[in-house]
Amino acid sequence: GENVEQHPSTLSVQEGDSAVIKCTYSDSASNYFPWYKQELGKRPQLIIDIRSNVGEKKDQRIAVTLNKTAKHFSLHITETQPEDSAVYFCAASTSGGGADGLTFGKGTHLIIQP
Amino acid sequence: NAGVTQTPKFRVLKTGQSMTLLCAQDMNHEYMYWYRQDPGMGLRLIHYSVGEGTTAKGEVPDGYNVSRLKKQNFLLGLESAAPSQTSVYFCATSDIYEQYFGPGTRLTVT
Repeated sequence: GENVEQHPSTLSVQEGDSAVIKCTYSDSASNYFPWYKQELGKRPQLIIDIRSNVGEKKDQRIAVTLNKTAKHFSLHITETQPEDSAVYFCAASTSGGGADGLTFGKGTHLIIQP
Repeated sequence: NAGVTQTPKFRVLKTGQSMTLLCAQDMNHEYMYWYRQDPGMGLRLIHYSVGEGTTAKGEVPDGYNVSRLKKQNFLLGLESAAPSQTSVYFCATSDIYEQYFGPGTRLTVT
């Protein structure tokens, strides 16, 4: 089955700096890659996703890049703010949209230092 | 419009007891999922359903059973709870792409 590796497990950045979280996947058939943000005690919420026919997608301060050849994808957050502090999870799916579920990475705890 | 709800929010079980977790959605989504979340492990798929009357195994199905008798409900059962099943359980639903998560059920097995 699919295996998703996520790095780093903890990332501390100064407010206003950029943060990058990287994930690799094992199944070349994976074609949908979402990123979820989870605040302490809350449910995961989708912040951005990318499909395999696109190399990059941006939404305001958040961007995701995908390299299908290398089987890795990354989350980029620019101009970080205190409210960006949370745990971020990457995920992958072979069913185009997660019809048969998502395989998640183990998460990155992002800490924004004031 | 409640979205995705889970019952109960918290539960403590003794080893060997049974229980059922209920997930309900009013989004008219076909696909429903049960995940468990353990510290440092991310979310792992237990079982899922692609429509009323269907279920399938995910990554970690052992010790759990599920049923989807109605489109809006997805039940997760533990027949004989074990301490290894102490976790936070999340239900999710999706239409095509985005998965919407419920608030979670925190289960402790002693």
